Amino acid sequence: EDKVVQSPLSLVVHEGDTVTLNCSYEVTNFRSLLWYKQEKKAPTFLFMLTSSGIEKKSGRLSSILDKKELFSILNITATQTGDSAVYLCAVGSTSGTYKYIFGTGTRLKVLA
Amino acid sequence: SAVISQKPSRDICQRGTSLTIQCQVDSQVTMMFWYRQQPGQSLTLIATANQGSEATYESGFVIDKFPISRPNLTFSTLTVSNMSPEDSSIYLCSVAPALEAFFGQGTRLTVV
Repeated sequence: EDKVVQSPLSLVVHEGDTVTLNCSYEVTNFRSLLWYKQEKKAPTFLFMLTSSGIEKKSGRLSSILDKKELFSILNITATQTGDSAVYLCAVGSTSGTYKYIFGTGTRLKVLA
Repeated sequence: SAVISQKPSRDICQRGTSLTIQCQVDSQVTMMFWYRQQPGQSLTLIATANQGSEATYESGFVIDKFPISRPNLTFSTLTVSNMSPEDSSIYLCSVAPALEAFFGQGTRLTVV
């Protein structure tokens, strides 16, 4: 059975800290791995990764994929209170119909 | 990218009744995805809706409970039928025109 596991489940840090969120997966017919930030209802897109070893970067956020070891990390440097959210990892699979399998999410709280 | 308009944004419904959620996309897409997010949980795929064919339901979800319509390439509806308090969740529609999934604003449903 396909599965995506994120760790830690929750994290509390202080402003200015650096955090690393983990996502491991066991998914047949892997196509892509995506990271989302969810603050209220709708997840907002952060990154899409398809190739190993190529870092994607946007401001203080960066992410990388290891397709051999089947995991990805999301780094956030110099955290701010506005980074407080649930971070979701999703893996796209073409097993049967094309679909996304979501991880459990990591709830990040950044304290001022 | 794709912009999805989802409505209603939220609703409070009596048990035993049904609610239909609508999603309108600003471009034509082949597949639309419907997700449920129960309180404190991650996103679970309910079904994939293709225009002109029956929706494909994931294990644990059935058409009688969650009928889906897909009359054209820009619109879909999900109905939550014969609701019970266990159906209280956020419901999200999503499209993925190029491996990257975009989400509607979500519908927060509370069943009393």
